Amino acid sequence: DAGVIQSPRHEVTEMGQEVTLRCKPISGHNSLFWYRQTMMRGLELLIYFNNNVPIDDSGMPEDRFSAKMPNASFSTLKIQPSEPRDSAVYFCASSQIRGGYTFGSGTRLTVV
Amino acid sequence: AQSVTQPDIHITVSEGASLELRCNYSYGATPYLFWYVQSPGQGLQLLLKYFSGDTLVQGIKGFEAEFKRSQSSFNLRKPSVHWSDAAEYFCAVGPSGGGADGLTFGKGTHLIIQP
Repeated sequence: DAGVIQSPRHEVTEMGQEVTLRCKPISGHNSLFWYRQTMMRGLELLIYFNNNVPIDDSGMPEDRFSAKMPNASFSTLKIQPSEPRDSAVYFCASSQIRGGYTFGSGTRLTVV
Repeated sequence: AQSVTQPDIHITVSEGASLELRCNYSYGATPYLFWYVQSPGQGLQLLLKYFSGDTLVQGIKGFEAEFKRSQSSFNLRKPSVHWSDAAEYFCAVGPSGGGADGLTFGKGTHLIIQP
């Protein structure tokens, strides 16, 4: 299994631009999570899906952030418009019930 | 609300010495506990998890952790550290029953290995 696959690995964009981060979970995992990691705030859960349905998006910082999971093998996290304070590493993770949570390698986002 | 406290931001250990990283949690039910390791520029790798049963859990890379309900702790240990163990270590708590809710992470402990 290739694990959780995130793309791109690095993204540099200008303030105001739209950014889309992508995630492919492990096949057979029925839960998907988006986390953000910063030095100041550590790892924060943004949103998660069970069986492709968004369950809790209370961690999404603002309306500029949105996430979708159109099918069991793909999810996106979109920021529109992006701001410098959105600069962080964004992780996607997937899991099964009673299983470990497997993380992707992350997307390092820099908004200038 | 659930929370995780890792009281040590940095720990320095000599290579070959033993290691213990502390983790305390707050959770209203039986927790599902994890330790992850993160090397610079990398994602998080699962070291071990506790779901139920034996309170002493063995993980990868020679790590173990002990769940102590009375102390709300889940400390990570290794008898002899190697230079390659230098990394950031995160303790996390999840919902009881291993359900499909997200994990809450501690702020992490940065492990430095002295030669």
